[in-house]
Amino acid sequence: AQKITQTQPGMFVQEKEAVTLDCTYDTSDQSYGLFWYKQPSSGEMIFLIYQGSYDEQNATEGRYSLNFQKARKSANLVISASQLGDSAMYFCAMREGDDKIIFGKGTRLHILP
Amino acid sequence: DGGITQSPKYLFRKEGQNVTLSCEQNLNHDAMYWYRQDPGQGLRLIYYSQIVNDFQKGDIAEGYSVSREKKESFPLTVTSAQKNPTAFYLCASSSRDRDKQYFGPGTRLTVT
Repeated sequence: AQKITQTQPGMFVQEKEAVTLDCTYDTSDQSYGLFWYKQPSSGEMIFLIYQGSYDEQNATEGRYSLNFQKARKSANLVISASQLGDSAMYFCAMREGDDKIIFGKGTRLHILP
Repeated sequence: DGGITQSPKYLFRKEGQNVTLSCEQNLNHDAMYWYRQDPGQGLRLIYYSQIVNDFQKGDIAEGYSVSREKKESFPLTVTSAQKNPTAFYLCASSSRDRDKQYFGPGTRLTVT
């Protein structure tokens, strides 16, 4: 069974609109962490945001926020006021107790002018 | 500036040859990782190391080997036993408080 599930292989969003990228996870650990990364066509992996399993507040970093719903095992990324430069692949990842970090298959986001 | 370096950016090898990919970090991170990415796919974990002289297999370790003799270095050897070695290889390291994971620029390996 997949530990990280990203159900949207691709999304098209109009510039300046908000966008939500879905991520669900599966773990039996009590302590874990959730990450989101952006991968432009250049191939580099850019760290966006992190949420710890014990963090009570949703993480925010500028235009990025993580909608953490622990009971649903959901960690959706919200990008506000999307820009053309947000077009990229986005990966959700999870760190479990043994420091192993695994990734979902990704969502390709296209921002339309 | 602190960061992770991977060299070379592009690597070409003949089938049957072993090849070693370099990964160096000066972030003073304890944990280091190797991932493989195939076109249009996500990242799959090959090996990871939480501390010097120790490492664990990831999900696709067969045909690969690693060493962690120094905190700063985590080289990956792609052996001739790896059936489909052509891929994009990414190295990463993680901070002590484990709330960030930084990646190197990657190495594109092509085996013909």
